Amino acid sequence: DAGVIQSPRHEVTEMGQEVTLRCKPISGHNSLFWYRQTMMRGLELLIYFNNNVPIDDSGMPEDRFSAKMPNASFSTLKIQPSEPRDSAVYFCATRQNGPTNYGYTFGSGTRLTVV
Amino acid sequence: GDSVTQMEGPVTLSEEAFLTINCTYTATGYPSLFWYVQYPGEGLQLLLKATKADDKGSNKGFEATYRKETTSFHLEKGSVQVSDSAVYFCALSDQLGGFKTIFGAGTRLFVKA
Repeated sequence: DAGVIQSPRHEVTEMGQEVTLRCKPISGHNSLFWYRQTMMRGLELLIYFNNNVPIDDSGMPEDRFSAKMPNASFSTLKIQPSEPRDSAVYFCATRQNGPTNYGYTFGSGTRLTVV
Repeated sequence: GDSVTQMEGPVTLSEEAFLTINCTYTATGYPSLFWYVQYPGEGLQLLLKATKADDKGSNKGFEATYRKETTSFHLEKGSVQVSDSAVYFCALSDQLGGFKTIFGAGTRLFVKA
């Protein structure tokens, strides 16, 4: 099992550009979560999906952020237009639902720098 | 709402010292409790978990016991190594909260040789 795969690992972009972050969950994991991590604010939940359906997007900071999960194998987080304050590490995490809570499996993250 | 509070870091220890990182929680239901570890440049990894009161989670020499009476889940290790240097996150997941996990702020551990 390759785990949760995120791409790219690093992204440097100019302010105003569109950025797309990608996540491939572990096969069979029903829930997918997007987090943002910064020194100032720690780990913030942006949005999560259950069975490809968005359940709670209250953590998405602004309309500039959007996320999709078109199928069980793929999710994207898009920022358009990007701003320097969006610079952070973005993590995707997935979980298998069921009576036993096994916890999350995190990807390695995408380090985004907006200049 | 549910919350997790863990001791502020950084915690600096010498190799082979005893480690305790305190964690307390607030939850309306019966949560599962977790410790995650994050090494530099990596995502969080599940370290151990406990799903009900008095359960003890353990892994790689680390232990934590689910104490309902004190709403705590303190992380301990008898003898730390330099390779244990990382950030440790306490977390809870409550069925009443749906599928979300609430994370503490993290505690950075430095272990000196």
